Parts: sequence; structure tokens; C-alpha cells
Amino acid sequence: GAVVSQHPSWVICKSGTSVKIECRSLDFQATTMFWYRQFPKQSLMLMATSNEGSKATYEQGVEKDKFLINHASLTLSTLTVTSAHPEDSSFYICSVTGPRKGDEQFFGPGTRLTVL
Amino acid sequence: GENVEQHPSTLSVQEGDSAVIKCTYSDSASNYFPWYKQELGKGPQLIIDIRSNVGEKKDQRIAVTLNKTAKHFSLHITETQPEDSAVYFCAALQGAQKLVFGQGTRLTINP
Repeated sequence: GAVVSQHPSWVICKSGTSVKIECRSLDFQATTMFWYRQFPKQSLMLMATSNEGSKATYEQGVEKDKFLINHASLTLSTLTVTSAHPEDSSFYICSVTGPRKGDEQFFGPGTRLTVL
Repeated sequence: GENVEQHPSTLSVQEGDSAVIKCTYSDSASNYFPWYKQELGKGPQLIIDIRSNVGEKKDQRIAVTLNKTAKHFSLHITETQPEDSAVYFCAALQGAQKLVFGQGTRLTINP
């Protein structure tokens, strides 16, 4: 499968600041990348889907102006949490997939965000 | 849209015994069903998947079965080992690319 990295692996920030999380596909041309959020002891919730060179598609209830997604290349997507608040504290995970319907999704190691 | 239900939420088995986790889905159009293993503080790892044109798939100690008529699929782990302890998630593909996940099962293997 694909090798996916995320940076940073964890971050602590003050309320009101912005945080950028990177997702890189190291050995796979990821036409589509996904961003998920996972609260403690809960399942993964899809936040948005991004295709290289296009605007991201956000799931219902996810604020596009708060969670900025950029998918500038086939190997890099970034998620910026703007004006972070304590309720944004969560485990953020990206995944990558190829162009075919039903292609496997490969997940990154996740980024733990803590907002004080 | 797709809805995936997963049971049980927790499962504890003795080392060497088998573990079974079950999922049901709602959208009959779904045709791809992966299973992921997630260890504490890590991202999910794909362990096995099945497509709707087959009823069973096996990979060493892990197997997945699919019943399209009943819209349910199951993960079977045989000869369980302590390193199998983790949270397992089932998922179903909705549309072309969106995965809908079950609630997860925390599996504990007792030595």
C-alpha cells in the first residue's frame, strides 16, 4: 500500500491561533486525499475530500472557512485550522487514494491537536 | 446515505481463541468493504477488504465474509495473539470514494 506521512505528529497551540497540518503521500500519486477527525474513543468522521488542483468538498456541518484545505500537488495536502478553540482539539488523520472507484484508502499516522 | 453499524463495541477473548466482529450496512449499492486496525495513537491500517463480487476472502489468520442479501459483513480472526489487541473499524464505500465507518470494536486478547 501507499506510505503516508503527516506533520506534525502532535501540536499544542493557544486558543485563537491557526495551525497547519501537512499530509504527504510518499510513494503514491494521490489524486484524492481525505481529511478525517477522530475524537477520543470515537470513530473516524470525514471532514472533507480534496482532489488535486480543485477546491475541497466539505461534509455537512464542517465549516470550510475554519478548516482550510489545500491540495496543491499529487503528493501534498494541507489542513489549516484557523482561530482554533479547545473544542477543535482532536486527532486529525488524512488518507489518500487513487483515481479508480473503490481504490483502497491508505491512512496517515494522524496529528494530535490540543488547543489550550 | 450509507449507515454502518458495528458490533460488539468491545470484545475480550483468550489468546488462541477466535474473534468475530460484525457490521451491517444500509446502502445496497455499496460494493467495497474494508477493515482497518487502529492501535493507540496511530492511524488506521488496512488489514483486509472485500468487494461485492465475492463472498469470502482470507489472508492467513484473518478472513472477511460478505452477505449481500442481508447486507452484512464480518471479520474473523483466528488463533488470536496479544498483538491483535487494537480497535477495529469496518467501513463501506458510499458512492465513488467516500468511506463510511462503523463505530469501532475494541478487541482485547487476554494472555
